[in-house]
Amino acid sequence: NAGVTQTPKFQVLKTGQSMTLQCAQDMNHNSMYWYRQDPGMGLRLIYYSASEGTTDKGEVPNGYNVSRLNKREFSLRLESAAPSQTSVYFCASEQGYEQYFGPGTRLTVT
Amino acid sequence: GIQVEQSPPDLILQEGANSTLRCNFSDSVNNLQWFHQNPWGQLINLFYIPSGTKQNGRLSATTVATERYSLLYISSSQTTDSGVYFCAPGAGNMLTFGGGTRLMVKP
Repeated sequence: NAGVTQTPKFQVLKTGQSMTLQCAQDMNHNSMYWYRQDPGMGLRLIYYSASEGTTDKGEVPNGYNVSRLNKREFSLRLESAAPSQTSVYFCASEQGYEQYFGPGTRLTVT
Repeated sequence: GIQVEQSPPDLILQEGANSTLRCNFSDSVNNLQWFHQNPWGQLINLFYIPSGTKQNGRLSATTVATERYSLLYISSSQTTDSGVYFCAPGAGNMLTFGGGTRLMVKP
């Protein structure tokens, strides 16, 4: 099992550009999550999906959109990137209240 | 939202020492997890513990939900325990992460 995978690992964007972060899990989990982690801080929830076909806002959803494409995949889109979105983005899936994290995507917006 | 405070913010131990990390939270919760983020950034789930006590090897955790705190015990620390420990209480699917305790274990 690969667990939770994320692509890309690193990305540099210019202000105003758009991109999609991809996440996939092979553990057949229903719930999936997107977090961001700013330097020296804990994670903050952006969006989550409790099951295929549903998505809900977390603590910091502004500037982001998500798609739960199927049970395996949950993508995060930045429509018009801003420097404030420079962060490390983590995807997670959940089984029985235990969350399993991907390796993260380090995004820099200049 | 829930306020989460972890202490101490930084901790340096000699290999073999024991330690206790504390997490205080402001509201009633039905979900609380502890995570370890290693120096390479990988996050690992240590415990799901909304109440009671659990043990896993050298690690154990206790949550007293009525008093709104949780403790993580690390015994006989090893250099591989270094990293940041996060407490994340919450309701249902939504976890709120604390600022973490940064642990360095010296050989």
